[in-house]
Amino acid sequence: GAVVSQHPSRVICKSGTSVKIECRSLDFQATTMFWYRQFPKKSLMLMATSNEGSKATYEQGVEKDKFLINHASLTLSTLTVTSAHPEDSSFYICSPNPGPRGGYGYTFGSGTRLTVV
Amino acid sequence: QKEVEQDPGPLSVPEGAIVSLNCTYSNSAFQYFMWYRQYSRKGPELLMYTYSSGNKEDGRFTAQVDKSSKYISLFIRDSQPSDSATYLCAMIGNAGNMLTFGGGTRLMVKP
Repeated sequence: GAVVSQHPSRVICKSGTSVKIECRSLDFQATTMFWYRQFPKKSLMLMATSNEGSKATYEQGVEKDKFLINHASLTLSTLTVTSAHPEDSSFYICSPNPGPRGGYGYTFGSGTRLTVV
Repeated sequence: QKEVEQDPGPLSVPEGAIVSLNCTYSNSAFQYFMWYRQYSRKGPELLMYTYSSGNKEDGRFTAQVDKSSKYISLFIRDSQPSDSATYLCAMIGNAGNMLTFGGGTRLMVKP
């Protein structure tokens, strides 16, 4: 599977501020990146799919204006939580879409734990 | 009914036991099957992947897929306390599709 680097691993921010999470695909060019959110003791919930050079695709119920996704290059996708509130506190994880290599398994970033106070 | 069902546990076993983790699914289009291990506050780690039906072994881990029954399993031999984690099954129909996850099973291996 792909090698994925996600930063930061942990962030605490004040309500109303914005937080940017970076996800890099280190060993192959990812045209799309999956962004997940995970609540405690729950499975991963797909939030959106970023696409290099075009707009992200958001899942139903996910606010586009709150969770800004940018896929600036084939190796970097970012998720910005804007005007964060305590209810945005969660674990966010990225995963590059391996495309035709999908049969070799999908890999994930190490995750970002966001706490909004 | 969820597309992929997985018993949430927790499953508690003594060290050295053989662990069996399972998922059932309803979509016959799924062809690729993956198992992930997730430690608390970490991203999922890919353990095993299999294509179509059959078995695959890697060290202490064996993955089995029975497409006719829509049932997949992960066996862990000689379980260790370090195996204590949440195990997620995931599957896709075609390479490049988004993953469909099970809810995860929490495993505790007691020394």
